[in-house]
Formats: sequence, structure tokens, C-alpha cells
Amino acid sequence: DAGVIQSPRHEVTEMGQEVTLRCKPISGHDYLFWYRQTMMRGLELLIYFNNNVPIDDSGMPEDRFSAKMPNASFSTLKIQPSEPRDSAVYFCASRGSSDTQYFGPGTRLTVL
Amino acid sequence: SQQGEEDPQALSIQEGENATMNCSYKTSINNLQWYRQNSGRGLVHLILIRSNEREKHSGRLRVTLDTSKKSSSLLITASRAADTASYFCATGNQFYFGTGTSLTVIP
Repeated sequence: DAGVIQSPRHEVTEMGQEVTLRCKPISGHDYLFWYRQTMMRGLELLIYFNNNVPIDDSGMPEDRFSAKMPNASFSTLKIQPSEPRDSAVYFCASRGSSDTQYFGPGTRLTVL
Repeated sequence: SQQGEEDPQALSIQEGENATMNCSYKTSINNLQWYRQNSGRGLVHLILIRSNEREKHSGRLRVTLDTSKKSSSLLITASRAADTASYFCATGNQFYFGTGTSLTVIP
């Protein structure tokens, strides 16, 4: 298996633009997580899905952030409009029947 | 919050020495996991210890769990430069992570 796939790996955009991050979980995994990592706040859980259904989105910072999982093999995290404080590394992770999370390589987002 | 918190925040040792880092948490858990993050990469699962276990080994890794103190420790023996990374513990179905211990192993 290729592991968790995220795209793009790097994204540079200007304040106010819409940003869409993509994730393909490991096939057969029924949990999908979105995290954000910064030096100041560490690794924050933004939202997680179980069987494509959002279970807990309490970590989503504000209405500018939205996440979808239209099917078992694809999820998006959208920021609209983006702000410089959104600059961070965004990780997607998936989990199957074991308790282990498998992380993607991350998307490094820079908002100018 | 079931978030685990690692201690110390940073640790620097010589190659060959042992490295010990600790994790404290606040609520009852089913298991506790340790992950490693190399610079610029995603987290990688290292080891899981269940609440009814007190100690677990995996290669050069040794994990202990004290549920009465709500704490765990990760020991890396005979450290190598390649062990340089950040180490995180996770509890509560592993959805929440601490701030990590940054380990530097000096060759």
C-alpha cells in the first residue's frame, strides 16, 4: 500500500485566497483525521471522520475551515478565505481496525 | 482533556547513551501510544501499551506504564544519531497528542 497520500506537499498562497488540501487514506481504513502543526500550538486535531461521517469537528478553528469526505478514499480540508495565521503543516492520518494512526507526509501551507 | 504531555521538552545526549522521556495524562485510558516524528515528516507509530500492561519492549525501545500515576516513559537504549526526532505520546484513542520531546543525539 502507498500509505496515506496528501496533496499538494507545499502550497503558497496570498491572504484571502481559497486553499484546498487533499487526502487519500489507506484503503480499508475507516477513520480519517486532519491535524494542524505549528511551533506555537503543536499538533492540533482539527476534525475526524468515521465511515465518512464527521464525528468531532470541535478543533476546527473557525467557519473559514471546512472538511468533507465524500467517499472512503478521499477527503478535503478547505480554508476560505485564508489568512497568514493559517500557515502551518497540515497532516492527514487514517486508522483501521488496529489503534494505530498512519500519517501522511503533510502539506506545508504558507499564506502571505 | 485526555491529552498526553511529554517531558522534557528537549533532550540532548551523546550517541550510545540512553534517552528517557516521560508522558503524563489526565484521564483513564485504554492504551497509550508513542510516535516519532522526523523533521519535516509525518508521525510514525512506535509502540502501543495497553492499560493492563506495565512494560513493553520493541527492539531498543522500552515503554512503561503506571496507571496509578497516569504516566508513561519511553526509554531508547544505545541511542544513535538516527534517533534524532520528536517523540509524542497519545491517549484517548490516540486522537490527541502532546507537545512532544525533541531528542537530539550527538554523534
